[in-house]
Amino acid sequence: QVQLVQSGAEVKKPGASVKLSCKASGYTFTSYYMHWVRQAPGQGLEWMGMINPSGGSTSSAQKFQGRVTMTRDTSTSTVYMELSSLGSEDTAVYYCARGDYDLPFDYWGQGTLVSVSS
Amino acid sequence: EIVLTQSPGTVSLSPGERATLSCRASQSISSSYLAWYQQKPGQAPRLLIYGASSRATGIPDRFSDSGSGTDFTLTISRLEPEDFAVYYCQQYGSSPITFGQGTRLEIK
Repeated sequence: QVQLVQSGAEVKKPGASVKLSCKASGYTFTSYYMHWVRQAPGQGLEWMGMINPSGGSTSSAQKFQGRVTMTRDTSTSTVYMELSSLGSEDTAVYYCARGDYDLPFDYWGQGTLVSVSS
Repeated sequence: EIVLTQSPGTVSLSPGERATLSCRASQSISSSYLAWYQQKPGQAPRLLIYGASSRATGIPDRFSDSGSGTDFTLTISRLEPEDFAVYYCQQYGSSPITFGQGTRLEIK
């Protein structure tokens, strides 16, 4: 069965960076894109970007360009998302979600809470 | 960027009733690239319907969608207790991928 298992909660200070992981299993890792979506407390869903695990190409929302880096390790079927220059507004639950060209997000990780506070 | 506006923000209904949730896009999108998700407290979103009325695995047929162009609707024909949650629409045909702000479906 398809599973996306994310790394544990993080607490960071303003200005720091955070690197989250999402380990995929139960399917061919390189056959689907992986997206990152975040949700601030009590708020809606916000798409951050995606990575194609096959070649490593990425695309991100303009809001996060220059601040987000998405990478993958095909040997461990893991994708990573690093967000830099954190501010309090980055406090959120971060989800990875499997998708593909022309397909929505059919499997989601359990989410990782990132708290940014001085 | 395609902005999706969902209405109402909150709807209060009783089990057994019919729910109609709306999603309006700022520009025309293909129904092939419109999806609906359900999210319960403390859980990740779950895909319900996508690509012009395709239900995701395990989704009961009381969930259906309709619409075209800029106006889309998610209908739950007969509410079950487990259906009370927040629902989001999403367009995934144009970058950036965007979500509506959500409709909270609460028990009356």
